[in-house]
Amino acid sequence: GAVVSQHPSWVICKSGTSVKIECRSLDFQATTMFWYRQFPKQSLMLMATSNEGSKATYEQGVEKDKFLINHASLTLSTLTVTSAHPEDSSFYICSAAGLAGPRYNEQFFGPGTRLTVL
Amino acid sequence: RKEVEQDPGPFNVPEGATVAFNCTYSNSASQSFFWYRQDCRKEPKLLMSVYSSGNEDGRFTAQLNRASQYISLLIRDSKLSDSATYLCVVNQAGGSYIPTFGRGTSLIVHP
Repeated sequence: GAVVSQHPSWVICKSGTSVKIECRSLDFQATTMFWYRQFPKQSLMLMATSNEGSKATYEQGVEKDKFLINHASLTLSTLTVTSAHPEDSSFYICSAAGLAGPRYNEQFFGPGTRLTVL
Repeated sequence: RKEVEQDPGPFNVPEGATVAFNCTYSNSASQSFFWYRQDCRKEPKLLMSVYSSGNEDGRFTAQLNRASQYISLLIRDSKLSDSATYLCVVNQAGGSYIPTFGRGTSLIVHP
């Protein structure tokens, strides 16, 4: 149980285009979803936290107008990278939390989306 | 000072060795702690939660020292398949928690 999917798994786009990444919890209701970015040989950097039906909370230094997050349901959150530039190329990973009981704050990660902006 | 610090390594050990990693955190209000494993170009996967009393899962033992604000992971009888990056995660106060990842410690187990 507690499976999280992400789509697409990789994307290559031209500079200036927008890219939407979907994160779905397949077998549980995710009250909270997290979006991370990871550059090569670096740690995961939390970008934002989103709760279903609420506006996302962005970490310092993350532009909310550039990285649009929508958490419309308990099983789906989307991250849209608007007007992507080469420096946005990275590995984007989502995670979801929401199991009942003692595992309530355990995160389950999606497989990640590798974005390359040309 | 970073909120969560880990020695990036790499730790290069032979099969069968015992290896230990530490992770220090700066926020004394931190509430929950985890060790994740991440293979190259893959997503992190939960290895184990870290409880105040310490916990063991097979060859893996996790400890929490609140007074000194660090958690540890001990791997006994290392296998080649243990080669990966080990990330510690520290969550702040419960409720709407904020997870913070360390940069990871790289482990290479060689024959």
